[in-house]
Amino acid sequence: DSGVTQTPKHLITATGQRVTLRCSPRSGDLSVYWYQQSLDQGLQFLIQYYNGEERAKGNILERFSAQQFPDLHSELNLSSLELGDSALYFCASSVRAYTGELFFGEGSRLTVL
Amino acid sequence: AQSVTQLDSQVPVFEEAPVELRCNYSSSVSVYLFWYVQYPNQGLQLLLKYLSGSTLVESINGFEAEFNKSQTSFHLRKPSVHISDTAEYFCAVSKANAGGTSYGKLTFGQGTILTVHP
Repeated sequence: DSGVTQTPKHLITATGQRVTLRCSPRSGDLSVYWYQQSLDQGLQFLIQYYNGEERAKGNILERFSAQQFPDLHSELNLSSLELGDSALYFCASSVRAYTGELFFGEGSRLTVL
Repeated sequence: AQSVTQLDSQVPVFEEAPVELRCNYSSSVSVYLFWYVQYPNQGLQLLLKYLSGSTLVESINGFEAEFNKSQTSFHLRKPSVHISDTAEYFCAVSKANAGGTSYGKLTFGQGTILTVHP
């Protein structure tokens, strides 16, 4: 158990819909990262927050947004969903923002029908 | 920008045989290097890391990796594998700390599926 909690574990929805994925980092970790894992793209970095502030942005679509709240949990919002958004979305956390030593949750599997 | 190439998408081996999973990276700046392991239906777990110092790093379960700057490689090895080592292994790179706060972003390779047969 990494200490990172992600909900929901599985989510099935239809095209055009909007979903919210939630992540609770390890106790004491200030940095939260979101990654997307799909068969064709592999693991893609989406976005990073550190203590509530956005710190780095990767290949995140404009239809996607995220935030980190004062209690340090984070949410990833995916809207106007397309079939290609079906993937495993991982949240990871770390104490500091620069070591690359990340602790991953078990992921949220999104299926868009 | 950094990039990572894992040269083998699948590596089948027999139990107790040695294995090497290959990883090459590209970067114009100093980097930190990592191997993560993903067991079925689980998240990724850090296996080992190279930040600085000795170029040979080891994990607690018998894996080791050697940072080779001239060849820009960070291959993962184990002299004798077990059935329980069956998993997908990811090589990853991040910019080495230069005082900023956004260098934790990891760039991952495409993964190598290691299958250990009895």
